Amino acid sequence: DADVTQTPRNRITKTGKRIMLECSQTKGHDRMYWYRQDPGLGLQLIYYSFDVKDINKGEISDGYSVSRQAQAKFSLSLESAIPNQTALYFCATSDSGQGADTDTQYFGPGTRLTVL
Amino acid sequence: AQKVTQAQTEISVVEKEDVTLDCVYETRDTTYYLFWYKQPPSGELVFLIRRNSFDEQNEISGRYSWNFQKSTSSFNFTITASQVVDSAVYFCALSEATASKLTFGTGTRLQVTL
Repeated sequence: DADVTQTPRNRITKTGKRIMLECSQTKGHDRMYWYRQDPGLGLQLIYYSFDVKDINKGEISDGYSVSRQAQAKFSLSLESAIPNQTALYFCATSDSGQGADTDTQYFGPGTRLTVL
Repeated sequence: AQKVTQAQTEISVVEKEDVTLDCVYETRDTTYYLFWYKQPPSGELVFLIRRNSFDEQNEISGRYSWNFQKSTSSFNFTITASQVVDSAVYFCALSEATASKLTFGTGTRLQVTL
């Protein structure tokens, strides 16, 4: 089973609808992230969370909100979707410990969102 | 602010050729990490390597090798004897130790043909 899972994998919605993307991980990592990928722009950070009680805005948080329901779960919401939020969304996790793997982010498979 | 530049937007090679993907970064931190990720046509992001700013040793893993040079702020990635399965978009990324957030380059699309 994958260590980082995202649901749904594909979603088509209409302008103005509320939508939630979910991310779960079994890696035991304390840090979780949401990114958005647009063609030719690489990945941009939307929100990140270093533990359950910690939520931080990234570069492009406007129009998005998040919830860290548990250490293993981090969801991203679009309160009122608009067409320019059509993109590929990735969740990622990392560990803040002292090991060789510290700060390496591991990504979920992505959610392709289309807003009509 | 940190920045990663991948000047090569797209590279096309014939199978078995060697290819180098360039990555130049900017940061004010003295402690940072550099990464390469692979995004095959299926879309997932696959972690390839992490390099600590204090470790300038080059690394080789099979057909992949990485050249880290702090003097030129570069972290280049070479694929030796490329194969069709290497076709993907490759991203270089930087994380400052104080921030633990990744800044990505815009990616280089590598097309390997027979």
